[in-house]
Amino acid sequence: QLQLQESGPGLVKPSETLSLTCTVSGGSISSSSYYWGWIRQPPGKGLEWIGSIYYSGSTYYNPSLKSRVTISVDTSKNQFSLKLSSVTAADTAVYYCARMPYAITIFGVVIGGMDVWGQGTTVTVSS
Amino acid sequence: DIVMTQTPLSLSVTPGQPASISCKSSQSLLHSDGKTYLYWYLQKPGQPPQLLIYEVSNRFSGVPDRFSGSGSGTDFTLKISRVEAEDVGVYYCMQSIQVLTFGGGTKVEIK
Repeated sequence: QLQLQESGPGLVKPSETLSLTCTVSGGSISSSSYYWGWIRQPPGKGLEWIGSIYYSGSTYYNPSLKSRVTISVDTSKNQFSLKLSSVTAADTAVYYCARMPYAITIFGVVIGGMDVWGQGTTVTVSS
Repeated sequence: DIVMTQTPLSLSVTPGQPASISCKSSQSLLHSDGKTYLYWYLQKPGQPPQLLIYEVSNRFSGVPDRFSGSGSGTDFTLKISRVEAEDVGVYYCMQSIQVLTFGGGTKVEIK
């Protein structure tokens, strides 16, 4: 059974870089059928997609965060990671990683909805 | 970005009764490949979201058949035929035809 587990510091100082890792178990991150993504949820609020990566390193980012986000993959460790720079209190949230099926169409790649989620990790931005 | 608008914001339902949630998108979710990339999720208290419905009307593996999705273009509906206590939580719709965006959520509670 596929499982995803987020890890990383729970507290980050303003202006610093948030770094999280998602470890995939029970399956290979190198599967050709999926992208792998990050989603966040501020306290008491809704969900925001951050970005997604394919095992080859191809990425898609939310334009609203693109200037501050880097998502990378390490297939040897079956992990993918998120870095979010210049954080502020507005970046305080539960961060989830997830598996995302995709389709290749003649019009390009369409990434589908998240079908397997990690439990989430809370990150607080505070001095 | 495509804006997803859900109604109602909250719903209080008697067990065994039906429930319906609406989701409207600011643009059509029909892709040129013929598929409509609209999804429904349920986030139970203290848990991550779980996929219920993909591409408008397909139940994800293990999802009870009391959940059904319908709609087209910009108007979509999630229906629960007979609400059970385990169905409480916040329901979200989501689109992936462009930059992935979620609706604001509909909180379902039991009377």
